[in-house]
Amino acid sequence: NAGVTQTPKFQVLKTGQSMTLQCAQDMNHNSMYWYRQDPGMGLRLIYYSASEGTTDKGEVPNGYNVSRLNKREFSLRLESAAPSQTSVYFCASSERSDTYGYTFGSGTRLTVV
Amino acid sequence: EDQVTQSPEALRLQEGESSSLNCSYTVSGLRGLFWYRQDPGKGPEFLFTLYSAGEEKEKERLKATLTKKESFLHITAPKPEDSATYLCAVEPFYNTDKLIFGTGTRLQVFP
Repeated sequence: NAGVTQTPKFQVLKTGQSMTLQCAQDMNHNSMYWYRQDPGMGLRLIYYSASEGTTDKGEVPNGYNVSRLNKREFSLRLESAAPSQTSVYFCASSERSDTYGYTFGSGTRLTVV
Repeated sequence: EDQVTQSPEALRLQEGESSSLNCSYTVSGLRGLFWYRQDPGKGPEFLFTLYSAGEEKEKERLKATLTKKESFLHITAPKPEDSATYLCAVEPFYNTDKLIFGTGTRLQVFP
């Protein structure tokens, strides 16, 4: 099935632990994004990548790092997790000429205790 | 500052009771306005893109309209399966390829 695949779906971390969220798309899109979604806050952009080899900060980048490994894959790393990073994380991809906006993955629900 | 505001936050409708969701936006030049549907535990799913004031798009019981300041998502004779959170997002001309999202309207349609 074409689309955006995120792993894992659920994760519980202890404060200070690190982890990497994985994202892969098979639609040959150039742009990829990481968002977090919190109640009452909507979707907020963490990092994005306009093309392979480039990344840039979004609205809430502190505490995160990203890697655009190739055109298909875009990973999000939490180096030292904090309770404030408890959230649902969505990866998305898009093509600049596309009228469909973003295609989203199914999300990763992360809890930091 | 670019901003997207959706209202109401939550809406409960009886099956068959038509209504509208509002998305007000402030942006320095609009390239496109997007509507998404999000079911619990899932990622947002694309519904419509609108590019210019006066434009309308329809899909089954949903119709989206756009003015220079806001967009409406009209739901005609809704069914329980229309229950979801509906998200609005704008793409500015100056910052293309990045969407600014509203906080959504949670719609419940009961039999």
